[in-house]
Amino acid sequence: EAGVTQFPSHSVIEKGQTVTLRCDPISGHDNLYWYRRVMGKEIKFLLHFVKESKQDESGMPNNRFLAERTGGTYSTLKVQPAELEDSGVYFCASSQVVHSGNTIYFGEGSWLTVV
Amino acid sequence: AQSVAQPEDQVNVAEGNPLTVKCTYSVSGNPYLFWYVQYPNRGLQFLLKYITGDNLVKGSYGFEAEFNKSQTSFHLKKPSALVSDSALYFCAVRVSAAGNKLTFGGGTRVLVKP
Repeated sequence: EAGVTQFPSHSVIEKGQTVTLRCDPISGHDNLYWYRRVMGKEIKFLLHFVKESKQDESGMPNNRFLAERTGGTYSTLKVQPAELEDSGVYFCASSQVVHSGNTIYFGEGSWLTVV
Repeated sequence: AQSVAQPEDQVNVAEGNPLTVKCTYSVSGNPYLFWYVQYPNRGLQFLLKYITGDNLVKGSYGFEAEFNKSQTSFHLKKPSALVSDSALYFCAVRVSAAGNKLTFGGGTRVLVKP
């Protein structure tokens, strides 16, 4: 069974440009999450989808970040315009049900460098 | 608000020696605790979790962790470390009242020397 897949794995863009990250969750997982770790700091929650609906977007840093999940399948996270402080690794994760004890499975991450 | 502390930025251990990575947490309510590992240039891999029941939980790659409610700790342990265990380890907590999102510690880098 395929795990959570993310694309691109690495991206280098200039300040002010736009980047779109894609995530395909594990098949059958209705819950999809975005997290990020910037500048060697803690891994922080960004948002949570249940199917196509945003369940919790309290971690989105500002309106330069836009997440979508069309049809409740894959998700995209767009950063527009990118700033230097956006550099870091963006993790997508998924889980089958929403329960605090349920395991959340992470992808390999999309490593973003803004120069 | 919930929080997780990993007091050691790095742990150095000789191959074959016991490995311990410390984690303490602060939550309101019953915690669900997780350990993840990140190998170099890789994603986060799930190691083990505590939900309820036996305080000692066993996970992947020979790792185990002990939940201690009185000390609000969930230390990760391995009896005999391997060089291949060198990685970044993250402790995380989840509480249903906080919306089910994971709150991570800052991570501990483990270096196992031959």
